Amino acid sequence: GAVVSQHPSRVICKSGTSVKIECRSLDFQATTMFWYRQFPKKSLMLMATSNEGSKATYEQGVEKDKFLINHASLTLSTLTVTSAHPEDSSFYICSARQQGGGYTFGSGTRLTVV
Amino acid sequence: GIQVEQSPPDLILQEGANSTLRCNFSDSVNNLQWFHQNPWGQLINLFYIPSGTKQNGRLSATTVATERYSLLYISSSQTTDSGVYFCAVINAGKSTFGDGTTLTVKP
Repeated sequence: GAVVSQHPSRVICKSGTSVKIECRSLDFQATTMFWYRQFPKKSLMLMATSNEGSKATYEQGVEKDKFLINHASLTLSTLTVTSAHPEDSSFYICSARQQGGGYTFGSGTRLTVV
Repeated sequence: GIQVEQSPPDLILQEGANSTLRCNFSDSVNNLQWFHQNPWGQLINLFYIPSGTKQNGRLSATTVATERYSLLYISSSQTTDSGVYFCAVINAGKSTFGDGTTLTVKP
């Protein structure tokens, strides 16, 4: 079945630094990928839609300059959290649409900013 | 936007018991999926079920799109079933998640 690989699974960074999270579709091409954020004991909130070869579409309230998304190939989308602050600490998950219509999710990245 | 409500929010079961989780949504949807998020945060796809009924082992799901709800059945629950169960509806290419049902299965 369709597999989405997300790395790293866990990262700790200092305030003010940037962190890049990768999302790869391993056995299929994904022209569109999605990035979600999950706060503790909360649901997943869609942050942005990543489109291969074009600019990402951000949801209302998501800072595009803070969360940079690049989808340079049909199998890779990256999310860079720039100038990270402790309030950016969260669980970030990507997903890609399968051919059959459902969505496959990566295993998530737990970001802690200290 | 579309609203997704899951019930119950929390559920505690004894091992071996059966349960039904519900997902109501406020508008027509193209797709619906059920996920299990394990204690490590990993989201596991359980069912992609825009309509009808599917079964996979001890789990089954039914979506009645015309009445805007979906049900997830867990039979003979095991401790490894513990975690959060999310339903997500997909409309116009965007997924909206419910708040989840936190299931605890006690041995």
